[in-house]
Amino acid sequence: DAGVTQSPTHLIKTRGQHVTLRCSPISGHKSVSWYQQVLGQGPQFIFQYYEKEERGRGNFPDRFSARQFPNYSSELNVNALLLGDSALYLCASSRYPGLTSNEQFFGPGTRLTVL
Amino acid sequence: DAKTTQPNSMESNEEEPVHLPCNHSTISGTDYIHWYRQLPSQGPEYVIHGLTSNVNNRMASLAIAEDRKSSTLILHRATLRDAAVYYCILTRDDNNDMRFGAGTRLTVKP
Repeated sequence: DAGVTQSPTHLIKTRGQHVTLRCSPISGHKSVSWYQQVLGQGPQFIFQYYEKEERGRGNFPDRFSARQFPNYSSELNVNALLLGDSALYLCASSRYPGLTSNEQFFGPGTRLTVL
Repeated sequence: DAKTTQPNSMESNEEEPVHLPCNHSTISGTDYIHWYRQLPSQGPEYVIHGLTSNVNNRMASLAIAEDRKSSTLILHRATLRDAAVYYCILTRDDNNDMRFGAGTRLTVKP
């Protein structure tokens, strides 16, 4: 079975631009979460979506938005890019939204560089 | 929210056991203890989780203190492929925010 896939693998943008990152969950998984991982730090939670509804939001500005489609794939959008948005963006999928008995499967990430 | 404390780094020799500690002194009764690891250039992967009792799976064992204020991830025979950053995370079903700390960077020497 295919794992979580993310596209693109790498992306270079300039300050002020907009970016869209894409994630396809494992077949049968209805929950998708997005994380930002700055170099040298652990991943930071951005959003969780389940059945196309937002189930959780981390401490990120409104420039960050996301959505989930009927096929459970998801997009993360970031507007007005700042240098500090440079990071690895990780997508994780799971069958259900709860974290306690529900393993999350992470994709390889999209490396975003903002110049 | 309860937090976890882990050593920044640890070293191990190949084929020897490794004990990775995690302190979570403010853990609540509904918090589960999860361990994930992140190999170089990859996304995190699930290792093991537990609530009160010790747990074993094909990858590792999780030993949870009786008061639940600390836990230890045990790799029974470290291999070079186990070199990674190991994250100890507390989770609960009413909070979808999986909070990763800085983790412990494990180096395995041949």
